[in-house]
Amino acid sequence: KAGVTQTPRYLIKTRGQQVTLSCSPISGHRSVSWYQQTPGQGLQFLFEYFSETQRNKGNFPGRFSGRQFSNSRSEMNVSTLELGDSALYLCASRRQGLDTDTQYFGPGTRLTVL
Amino acid sequence: GQQLNQSPQSMFIQEGEDVSMNCTSSSIFNTWLWYKQDPGEGPVLLIALYKAGELTSNGRLTAQFGITRKDSFLNISASIPSDVGIYFCAGQPGGMEYGNKLVFGAGTILRVKS
Repeated sequence: KAGVTQTPRYLIKTRGQQVTLSCSPISGHRSVSWYQQTPGQGLQFLFEYFSETQRNKGNFPGRFSGRQFSNSRSEMNVSTLELGDSALYLCASRRQGLDTDTQYFGPGTRLTVL
Repeated sequence: GQQLNQSPQSMFIQEGEDVSMNCTSSSIFNTWLWYKQDPGEGPVLLIALYKAGELTSNGRLTAQFGITRKDSFLNISASIPSDVGIYFCAGQPGGMEYGNKLVFGAGTILRVKS
């Protein structure tokens, strides 16, 4: 069974640009969560989607947004990029979104903002 | 908000040694998870704990869900070189308002003594 896939794996952008990252969950998984990982702040929750609806959101500015499609694939978008947005963006999927469902992470997209 | 205090921040191991790390919080969590992350990759789940007091093993790894639901520890017995990496604890607050949000500790870096 294929794992969580994220594209692209690496991205370089400049300040002010916008970026879209993609995540394909494990087949059959309906819940997708996004996390930002930086050396200073560690792993921080961005948002979670379940059945195309945003179920929960972390403490990030409105420049960070996401969506989920009917096939459970998810995208996140960051507009007006800032230097501090440089990070590893991780996507995780779960089968049904229940407490006892294991959450599996993808390899991440490394975003560098210049 | 919820925070997890993970210790130690880093440690050096010699092959064959046992290793211990733990996470504590002032908040209650319904699920505790332990992940390992290698450079350039996403976190990989090692052990999941769903009940207070639960003690679970996975090969040389043993983890426990604290009885107060505010702490957890991970032990690695007879360490080997491939145990090197960053270990994260993660807690799931539970409750519909949190969805599948995970709160992560800052990580424990495991290095090999030369």
